[in-house]
Amino acid sequence: GNSVTQMEGPVTLSEEAFLTINCTYTATGYPSLFWYVQYPGEGLQLLLKATKADDKGSNKGFEATYRKETTSFHLEKGSVQVSDSAVYFCALTDYGNNRLAFGKGNQVVVIP
Amino acid sequence: DAEITQSPRHKITETGRQVTLACHQTWNHNNMFWYRQDLGHGLRLIHYSYGVQDTNKGEVSDGYSVSRSNTEDLPLTLESAASSQTSVYFCASSQGDRGADTQYFGPGTRLTVL
Repeated sequence: GNSVTQMEGPVTLSEEAFLTINCTYTATGYPSLFWYVQYPGEGLQLLLKATKADDKGSNKGFEATYRKETTSFHLEKGSVQVSDSAVYFCALTDYGNNRLAFGKGNQVVVIP
Repeated sequence: DAEITQSPRHKITETGRQVTLACHQTWNHNNMFWYRQDLGHGLRLIHYSYGVQDTNKGEVSDGYSVSRSNTEDLPLTLESAASSQTSVYFCASSQGDRGADTQYFGPGTRLTVL
């Protein structure tokens, strides 16, 4: 079945540092890949997505590239702000299947 | 503006009681989903619906049920609440029939079963 694996543990970094959160996936078909963000006390909201191999999703300075050869969709941001502190979830759906499969999420804490 | 709302936002109940969590969306979306969020597990799918009168089981459906009598609402019922069902519950909706469609999430309901 489909599954998503995110790197273990919270991520703590200083303001203006470079952020990378790793995400790898297993899928039987042709998945679409997503990053969702959850700010404290809120529901999830879409951060970015990519629907086919080599696509790059981007939003709010975040980027992720759909790498079929390495089955990865790593999230990056060049210079984080305190306001980027949140939980980040990688997720996928297969074509024709609207059901999201989520990774366990990564708590990101940005220190001023 | 279109939105998706959940009620109540917080609920405390006792073991064995029936509990219903409401989800209402004004996007006019066909697809609706219920997830639970637990530390160390991320979000897991409980039930989902692709339209009126359609319901399907997700990966953690035991002890839960849903019904879809109109487009806007998908209430989630815990038939006999158990302490293992203490969690944060999120409802979501999406429009299309392709996997690339964005799901829009509600603010969540924090349920505590004592």
